[in-house]
Amino acid sequence: QQPVQSPQAVILREGEDAVINCSSSKALYSVHWYRQKHGEAPVFLMILLKGGEQKGHEKISASFNEKKQQSSLYLTASQLSYSGTYFCGTATSGNTPLVFGKGTRLSVIA
Amino acid sequence: NAGVMQNPRHLVRRRGQEARLRCSPMKGHSHVYWYRQLPEEGLKFMVYLQKENIIDESGMPKERFSAEFPKEGPSILRIQQVVRGDSAAYFCASSVTPNTEAFFGQGTRLTVV
Repeated sequence: QQPVQSPQAVILREGEDAVINCSSSKALYSVHWYRQKHGEAPVFLMILLKGGEQKGHEKISASFNEKKQQSSLYLTASQLSYSGTYFCGTATSGNTPLVFGKGTRLSVIA
Repeated sequence: NAGVMQNPRHLVRRRGQEARLRCSPMKGHSHVYWYRQLPEEGLKFMVYLQKENIIDESGMPKERFSAEFPKEGPSILRIQQVVRGDSAAYFCASSVTPNTEAFFGQGTRLTVV
């Protein structure tokens, strides 16, 4: 079942922070975050495995609450290069394919 | 180490023709996933293959669509008797093992006229 992402779209000024949420109705094994720019391939950002971990990637970090089946992606001090559509992909076990949400379109303006 | 290679990048087919989309995974990757993306929409899972085996095809239409990943050569997504509704971007991704970092190809944009 497809995870639900919120918000659908967000506009930020450079330097502002944003949070993108991803929730599932199923118990999750892992959550994967990707960013896709218009006309390009999705690019991997990070994986979070069950265990309630938090990971960081420069000024982009994420958390995974397996009890709530939710993950959040945190973007701090946003840069113009952060613009794009962010997708979370979820897996219910270690050998199932990812099911992606509909995406959150992030626009960072100067 | 070359990334995931998809070809062609753009494909135009008339209604009723066949479309063949190719995906060469990254070196050392034996798991391949195909996704379809419509404009302004998310990535919809179609099929998951491991060398010579279809692991999960739950997202692929039962008719006209088929996929293979032979022992030698690229993975192929085949769409027979294409219709206008098949127009979309088709992405493949590959990974070393399931549920690890998956790398996406640049996609094939199929247009059915």
